[in-house]
Amino acid sequence: NAGVTQTPKFQVLKTGQSMTLQCAQDMNHNSMYWYRQDPGMGLRLIYYSASEGTTDKGEVPNGYNVSRLNKREFSLRLESAAPSQTSVYFCASSDVRDQPQHFGDGTRLSIL
Amino acid sequence: GENVEQHPSTLSVQEGDSAVIKCTYSDSASNYFPWYKQELGKGPQLIIDIRSNVGEKKDQRIAVTLNKTAKHFSLHITETQPEDSAVYFCAASSHNAGNMLTFGGGTRLMVKP
Repeated sequence: NAGVTQTPKFQVLKTGQSMTLQCAQDMNHNSMYWYRQDPGMGLRLIYYSASEGTTDKGEVPNGYNVSRLNKREFSLRLESAAPSQTSVYFCASSDVRDQPQHFGDGTRLSIL
Repeated sequence: GENVEQHPSTLSVQEGDSAVIKCTYSDSASNYFPWYKQELGKGPQLIIDIRSNVGEKKDQRIAVTLNKTAKHFSLHITETQPEDSAVYFCAASSHNAGNMLTFGGGTRLMVKP
């Protein structure tokens, strides 16, 4: 069972470059999320999609955009990467918003 | 918005001992409290959760207790084993925040054989 799949697993960018992180889930979940994880700060919500066709900002949306391509896929885009965006990015999904979230294994992103 | 604080940030126990991790939350409307375990290089995995209409929930060696009056909840692991070593995160969500999860800062648990 794949669950939530994130690509790529690792990426190094230069400041100013753009990049799209991909996420797909095979659990037929309605809601999907993007988090970033920084040392000592837990996980912080960047954007979420409560259902196909909708997206909303989370706690730390600045510098990011998202696309809910279809029910399975939810992508995160950095238009002009900055060193402050160096982090581990996790995608998650849930059946509805107040149900358990299932996480992918993350994308480790370094911006030089 | 919701604020979740988690203590301690690191916890070292001997194999077979119990471990307790505590979290406090600020939003009295919070009604869902999951706990996640994160192993190195992996994403967080749900290990147990509790809703506000329940005071305690157990699953084998793991239990969670909730005190709504004091706005805190705790994770209890009994008979710890080396494979319990990981980072544990608590979280809380409320209808006031659109049911979004707010996470604590994490606890690194080390179980010494």
